[in-house]
Amino acid sequence: GGIITQTPKFLIGQEGQKLTLKCQQNFNHDTMYWYRQDSGKGLRLIYYSITENDLQKGDLSEGYDASREKKSSFSLTVTSAQKNEMAVFLCASRGTGKVFFGKGTRLTVV
Amino acid sequence: QQKVQQSPESLTVSEGAMASLNCTFSDGTSNNFRWYRQHSAKGLEVLVSIFSDGEKEEGRFTAHLNRANLHVSLHIREPQPSDSAVYLCAVSIVSNTNKVVFGTGTRLQVLP
Repeated sequence: GGIITQTPKFLIGQEGQKLTLKCQQNFNHDTMYWYRQDSGKGLRLIYYSITENDLQKGDLSEGYDASREKKSSFSLTVTSAQKNEMAVFLCASRGTGKVFFGKGTRLTVV
Repeated sequence: QQKVQQSPESLTVSEGAMASLNCTFSDGTSNNFRWYRQHSAKGLEVLVSIFSDGEKEEGRFTAHLNRANLHVSLHIREPQPSDSAVYLCAVSIVSNTNKVVFGTGTRLQVLP
C-alpha cells in the first residue's frame, strides 16, 4: 500500500510569517488536495491539483499558495500567518474515487 | 459552490442503539458520496461509498442516498464505544469528480 507523508507534523510560526507545508505521496495518484480543519469543524478545501503543474482553487484559497512541481508532491504556503491561528492542515490524494489522507500538520501562530 | 452540511453537530448514543447521521448537499448534480470516520489518534478512513439512490451497506455501516432531497445519511448498527469519532461526508459532482467537498462533521460518542 501507499502512504502520504506530511512535513512538518507541528509548525509554529509568527504573525506575518510565510510558512510552507509539504506533502509527498507514493500512490502514483494524479489528484492531490490540501484541506484545512479547524477544531470542531469539517474539512475545508484550500487547493487541489489534478496533475503535475496544475492548480485549482478550493473554497478557502485566499491567503494561501500551492505548488505541484512533481506528481508525487504538493506543497502549501501560508502567505502571511494570522496571529492566534490554530488549525490542522490535511493533505490527501485520490485514486479510484477514494481519497487517502496524511496525518496532518498542526499549525500554531504566536 | 457546493455546500455540504451535516447534522447533528454531535450525537451521543448508548452501545447497541442505532446511530443516524445526516448530510445535505446543495448541488443536485452531485453523484459521488462517501462517509469517512476520523479518530483523534488516527487519520481518516473511508466507511462506505454510494453513487446511486437507495442504500449501500458495508458491515455495520449503511448509507442511504436520496438525490431528489439532496440528502445522504449514515446509519451505524450496534455502535460500540470504539466507534466514537468524528464522521464526515464527502461529495463531488458529475462535472468535476476531482473536487471533493467535505461536510461540517458530526462528533459521535458511544457510551458503554
